[in-house]
Amino acid sequence: ILNVEQSPQSLHVQEGDSTNFTCSFPSSNFYALHWYRWETAKSPEALFVMTLNGDEKKKGRISATLNTKEGYSYLYIKGSQPEDSATYLCAFYGGYNKLIFGAGTRLAVHP
Amino acid sequence: NAGVTQTPKFRVLKTGQSMTLLCAQDMNHEYMYWYRQDPGMGLRLIHYSVGEGTTAKGEVPDGYNVSRLKKQNFLLGLESAAPSQTSVYFCASSWDPYTGELFFGEGSRLTVL
Repeated sequence: ILNVEQSPQSLHVQEGDSTNFTCSFPSSNFYALHWYRWETAKSPEALFVMTLNGDEKKKGRISATLNTKEGYSYLYIKGSQPEDSATYLCAFYGGYNKLIFGAGTRLAVHP
Repeated sequence: NAGVTQTPKFRVLKTGQSMTLLCAQDMNHEYMYWYRQDPGMGLRLIHYSVGEGTTAKGEVPDGYNVSRLKKQNFLLGLESAAPSQTSVYFCASSWDPYTGELFFGEGSRLTVL
């Protein structure tokens, strides 16, 4: 059974704070690591798909790093805004056509 | 461009009843997935398909069946619904989960009484 863990489970920050959270995944049979943003009452939407060790991706104020040898990825949000409030999901692709999700980190940004 | 469409959006069933959820995508994707979302547990993979006529079991397949008779459609069936199947179900599709993102439907909320 593949174990994809995300921490923390939830996070409350003030507007303007920078924050980060972690996704841990198996370090063997790594193919790709996905990050998704999931707003309440909507569907998850992709942020990044990362495939290479050491890869860094950036979209606006959100960035992600990847360490496949030790099995973790960090998602960073710089200068959090209330519209960043959402659940952030990571998903591990270890081949076999299956994408396995973590339980998510729920972020609340307070004005 | 509709993307991924799920029907129905909401359904209430009695224990033992059967039903089918339909997922349709118009992006010509080979890969399609059914997930269920429960509080505190993220998205759990029920079944998936890597092309027309193929299906495979995911993490939590018991009590569900699927079919992929046409490339654009992926059906999830509950033969005899149980209260434990009360959940929100999400369909997703992708051209390649290795390098390509998943596109999700809007979800189907199922309540089994």
